[in-house]
Amino acid sequence: AQSVTQPDIHITVSEGASLELRCNYSYGATPYLFWYVQSPGQGLQLLLKYFSGDTLVQGIKGFEAEFKRSQSSFNLRKPSVHWSDAAEYFCAVGDDSSYKLIFGSGTRLLVRP
Amino acid sequence: KAGVTQTPRYLIKTRGQQVTLSCSPISGHRSVSWYQQTPGQGLQFLFEYFSETQRNKGNFPGRFSGRQFSNSRSEMNVSTLELGDSALYLCASSLGGTNPEAFFGQGTRLTVV
Repeated sequence: AQSVTQPDIHITVSEGASLELRCNYSYGATPYLFWYVQSPGQGLQLLLKYFSGDTLVQGIKGFEAEFKRSQSSFNLRKPSVHWSDAAEYFCAVGDDSSYKLIFGSGTRLLVRP
Repeated sequence: KAGVTQTPRYLIKTRGQQVTLSCSPISGHRSVSWYQQTPGQGLQFLFEYFSETQRNKGNFPGRFSGRQFSNSRSEMNVSTLELGDSALYLCASSLGGTNPEAFFGQGTRLTVV
């Protein structure tokens, strides 16, 4: 079955520290991969996407993610976290025929001053 | 370019009532999807519409329905509300071709009492 796993429910990092959020997927077709961010009570904002090509993709707000087919992973990274990055992050997978996204359960990021 | 607009932002309804939520997609986008977000179940796909046709439907009871109009605006309806329908309902719009990249609205927070 198609699924997305975000193994970390919560992550706490200090402001200025680096960040890596993990995402693993199980998908039969060639996946389209996304990371979204959600602030409390708000909708989802698209951070970045991977469709094909270069496996390291750059997104907004200084985020990047690397697609590793052999590990079925699409981890999100940021070299230096800002307090405003505190939010919930969702990894999602889709394809070109099902017309839907499958989301992971999310990782809540807390940033220590 | 205006984003995805969902109305209303907040709703309080009583068990047994019905509710209609509205979504206006990004101009030029022809696909609208709906998702339900709850703390227990996370983000779950409800249905997707393209050119007034439902192309995919999630695993929800028939009380949940939707439609899309010729201008791509979409509505979803929930009849005979139950307490468990309390959730954030998110609408996403996309171009509607083979690219599943979706842009989300701010959501409608439905509380059933």
